[in-house]
Order: sequence, then C-alpha cells, then structure tokens
Amino acid sequence: EPEVTQTPSHQVTQMGQEVILRCVPISNHLYFYWYRQILGQKVEFLVSFYNNEISEKSEIFDDQFSVERPDGSNFTLKIRSTKLEDSAMYFCASSPSGRVSYEQYFGPGTRLTVT
Amino acid sequence: KNEVEQSPQNLTAQEGEFITINCSYSVGISALHWLQQHPGGGIVSLFMLSSGKKKHGRLIATINIQEKHSSLHITASHPRDSAVYICAVIAGGGADGLTFGKGTHLIIQP
Repeated sequence: EPEVTQTPSHQVTQMGQEVILRCVPISNHLYFYWYRQILGQKVEFLVSFYNNEISEKSEIFDDQFSVERPDGSNFTLKIRSTKLEDSAMYFCASSPSGRVSYEQYFGPGTRLTVT
Repeated sequence: KNEVEQSPQNLTAQEGEFITINCSYSVGISALHWLQQHPGGGIVSLFMLSSGKKKHGRLIATINIQEKHSSLHITASHPRDSAVYICAVIAGGGADGLTFGKGTHLIIQP
C-alpha cells in the first residue's frame, strides 16, 4: 500500500541553524500539508500546498518557514533559523484531490530537537 | 476560529467493552476526521465524514452537523486498540488544514 515517507526520522540541530525536513507524498496525490506537534500538545496545522504554491498557512507559519516541491516527488519544509521552540514532531500529509472530500495520509513524522 | 473539544481526555477500559469518544466543535465545518496516534507518534486516518455514519470493522463514527458533534465508537475493544484518538475538523469556506482536538488517550486492559 502506498505511504507517505519522511526523512530524517530524527534531526538534532543547534539554535540558529537551518534545517530542511523532507517528505515524499503518495505519488498520485495533489495536496500536501505540514503539521507539527510539540511534545504533550495537540497537532497544529502549518501549511498546505497545491499546484506548486501555498494554498493556506497558519499564523505559526511565519517568514522563518518555507515549503518547496523541488521535483516531482519531494516536498520539503525549511526552517531558516531554528529556535528552541521549534522543537517538535513534524508530520507531512498528502491527499488525493480536492480540499475537503478526501482523507489525509500522514507520514511517520520527523522529530526535530533544537539545542 | 474553530475550537475542537474531546471527551474524555483519558479512558481506561477492560477488553471487550464498548467504547465511546466524543468530539464537539464550535463553528460549521466541511468535514471531520477521526485519527489514531500510536505511542511511536505515527498518525493514521480512521474516518473522514461530513454527514451520517461510517463503519469500518469494529469502528463506527457518527456526526450530527446540527449539533456540531461527532462520536467514535469501538465495539469489542481489544488491547491493540490502545492509542490516542484524535478528532480534527476542516472549517468551511475553502480551508485546507485540519484543526485538531487534544486527543483521547485510550487504554484497553486485558
């Protein structure tokens, strides 16, 4: 069964460094998402991406964040200058088509630790 | 902004019991998702519904749009059902991203 994959599974970085989290969505899916979950808290929406542009973003997704689909398979989340509070589990998800009519399929997550 | 409330926050039950987890939201939605998160952190989609009722195996999800309420039921619960169950909604008006509840931590004891 097709699945969303994410790399790395765990990333440790120093405050102020740039990180890139990578996702490979399911191949025929058209909508892509990033979510994050700070330890012990609920999952939060960051951004959605469709047709090579941001479709919607939350107030968390400030200028420090960017997303890109550099080729036909990868979907990346970049954090330019990491802060301690960026430490969280980051989940990528993809959906086949349409905004609300379909389930979202989640990757296993990347645990980001900022020291 | 939509607020998603789940109850109970924690639930411990014996194997075989019928389980109900509730979800309420504050404003109109396009769709509601029930998700399962295992201790390792991975999230699995269980249901997406916008009206009525869906059933998959021992899991049943219902939604009442007028009352802004959904329930997830597990029949004949089993220890492998132990996980965090999360309700998440998509707001109306063309929104994409899910707004999540805090989750219900379910433990099924043998």
